[in-house]
Amino acid sequence: QQPVQSPQAVILREGEDAVINCSSSKALYSVHWYRQKHGEAPVFLMILLKGGEQKGHDKISASFNEKKQQSSLYLTASQLSYSGTYFCGSSDTGRRALTFGSGTRLQVQP
Amino acid sequence: EAQVTQNPRYLITVTGKKLTVTCSQNMNHEYMSWYRQDPGLGLRQIYYSMNVEVTDKGDVPEGYKVSRKEKRNFPLILESPSPNQTSLYFCASSSKGTSNEKLFFGSGTQLSVL
Repeated sequence: QQPVQSPQAVILREGEDAVINCSSSKALYSVHWYRQKHGEAPVFLMILLKGGEQKGHDKISASFNEKKQQSSLYLTASQLSYSGTYFCGSSDTGRRALTFGSGTRLQVQP
Repeated sequence: EAQVTQNPRYLITVTGKKLTVTCSQNMNHEYMSWYRQDPGLGLRQIYYSMNVEVTDKGDVPEGYKVSRKEKRNFPLILESPSPNQTSLYFCASSSKGTSNEKLFFGSGTQLSVL
């Protein structure tokens, strides 16, 4: 079953912050985050494993709350280059594939 | 350069005409997978392979076939394409297929079935 992402779309001005949520009805082993620019392949951002860790690079970070079966992606001081569709992918075991959410379209305006 | 290569990039065909979309990776990855992407539905897995000669169904396998005769190649076969298979297709790979490894995606194949 696909994880549920929210919001479906968000429009920001440069410099504003955004949070994208990803929740699952199943217990999660790991959560992946990818960003896709229009017409391009998804690009890996980060993986979070169960243990409640928080990861980040640059101004993009994420948290994983396995108890709540959810992850959140935080984009701070957004830049134009952050525009795209963000997907979370979740797995309920250490093996096998990810199931992806339907995506969150983020548009950063000048 | 490490990459996943898909061909063709664009394909227009007619209902019932068999087609193959190729996927090749040069990273010696064991795990390979096919996804389709449709508006509002995100990425849905069609088939995956944990290694040579090992394939399994994903969430939307109907109407598709795959084979994994060599480690580097994982073609997607549509034996009798139908209009509802019009979609953007991505091939992806990772080292072992465990969920703590990132996926490398190909650049996609936009398929239109008329």
